[in-house]
Amino acid sequence: DVKVTQSSRYLVKRTGEKVFLECVQDMDHENMFWYRQDPGLGLRLIYFSYDVKMKEKGDIPEGYSVSREKKERFSLILESASTNQTSMYLCASGPSGSTDTQYFGPGTRLTVL
Amino acid sequence: QKEVEQDPGPLSVPEGAIVSLNCTYSNSAFQYFMWYRQYSRKGPELLMYTYSSGNKEDGRFTAQVDKSSKYISLFIRDSQPSDSATYLCAMSYYSSASKIIFGSGTRLSIRP
Repeated sequence: DVKVTQSSRYLVKRTGEKVFLECVQDMDHENMFWYRQDPGLGLRLIYFSYDVKMKEKGDIPEGYSVSREKKERFSLILESASTNQTSMYLCASGPSGSTDTQYFGPGTRLTVL
Repeated sequence: QKEVEQDPGPLSVPEGAIVSLNCTYSNSAFQYFMWYRQYSRKGPELLMYTYSSGNKEDGRFTAQVDKSSKYISLFIRDSQPSDSATYLCAMSYYSSASKIIFGSGTRLSIRP
């Protein structure tokens, strides 16, 4: 069964803290994605990765960085958290070169105080 | 202008009704069209997927794509309270596993 897991369901951090969000998939997928979801704005792509150690900016990369040292793991880093980064963060993975889809994790609801 | 437009709702219909959900888009290069369902406090899950124009049916769900009008629809027949969720349309230039552009979602509630 397809599985994408995220390290935390709920997270509360303070302004200026460094925040790590981890995502692990067990499907041997090449592609991994980080989105944030906000009311009225839908899902917006932050970063994605097509292979280990490769990353591409999405639509809203400012204030974020990513790391992909292993195929199954894709981390999102907030270098200095700010209140406008309070959001639901969703990780997804998908195989390359096919008509398959993206599989999503359960999400992490991050609150920055 | 957003690449993909979707009415946010909320949409409330009685159990058993036919539901119609729609999205419009601006970029004619989109080739893959998807509908995701998202229950409260969960990640989106793929419901329907179509390539190019046409219809696709899966049980009570039918997806339609009209590329000439840049318009996609999802129909739910015999709607059930368990269909209450947010429905996201999505589309992609290449395979559906590459970068996907999502609509903002329509919140649907089915009244028993």
